[in-house]
Amino acid sequence: KNQVEQSPQSLIILEGKNCTLQCNYTVSPFSNLRWYKQDTGRGPVSLTIMTFSENTKSNGRYTATLDADTKQSSLHITASQLSDSASYICVVSPYSNDYKLSFGAGTTVTVRA
Amino acid sequence: DTAVSQTPKYLVTQMGNDKSIKCEQNLGHDTMYWYKQDSKKFLKIMFSYNNKELIINETVPNRFSPKSPDKAHLNLHINSLELGDSAVYFCASSQAGIHNEQFFGPGTRLTVL
Repeated sequence: KNQVEQSPQSLIILEGKNCTLQCNYTVSPFSNLRWYKQDTGRGPVSLTIMTFSENTKSNGRYTATLDADTKQSSLHITASQLSDSASYICVVSPYSNDYKLSFGAGTTVTVRA
Repeated sequence: DTAVSQTPKYLVTQMGNDKSIKCEQNLGHDTMYWYKQDSKKFLKIMFSYNNKELIINETVPNRFSPKSPDKAHLNLHINSLELGDSAVYFCASSQAGIHNEQFFGPGTRLTVL
């Protein structure tokens, strides 16, 4: 079983609407949790990085939250744009080995006009 | 441009052939990685080098051999290619101490026929 589970697997939203992606993880203890955006045919690009002591981190219209007690994180996209269409990947870095990340399978977001 | 670059972007080859993928980063990072992203979109780490020394070597067939001539380059050589090797391979780099944030290359799509 993967140590990082994401939901939903995919979603379609209308331009201008908000959406929230979920990430549950079992990696413990962990050093930090990241959200990456991966456009089709490109490599992942970091959106946010939160340490275990942080609850929220924003990057423009992207806001990530973290509840280390329940081992859950979410990524909220506000006022979606067509360019937000991508896969969003939750990644957890274990405390014991910061080099060996655990990746979720990603949520594919499609923004329609 | 400061970035992680990979060549080639696409690679189509026959089963049994030997091929190499090259990766270079000009970010001054100490650590480089190779990931495999399969059709289910999971990113799985294969290898990691820190200052030209192997630090992560996951359960990867020994047909895959990484080579790091210097800390800015990490190449991946694959012998006797098999159908199951078809995937997108990503190179990444990071600098220890800055949450070890990893920067990814654009990927190499390998298709084995």
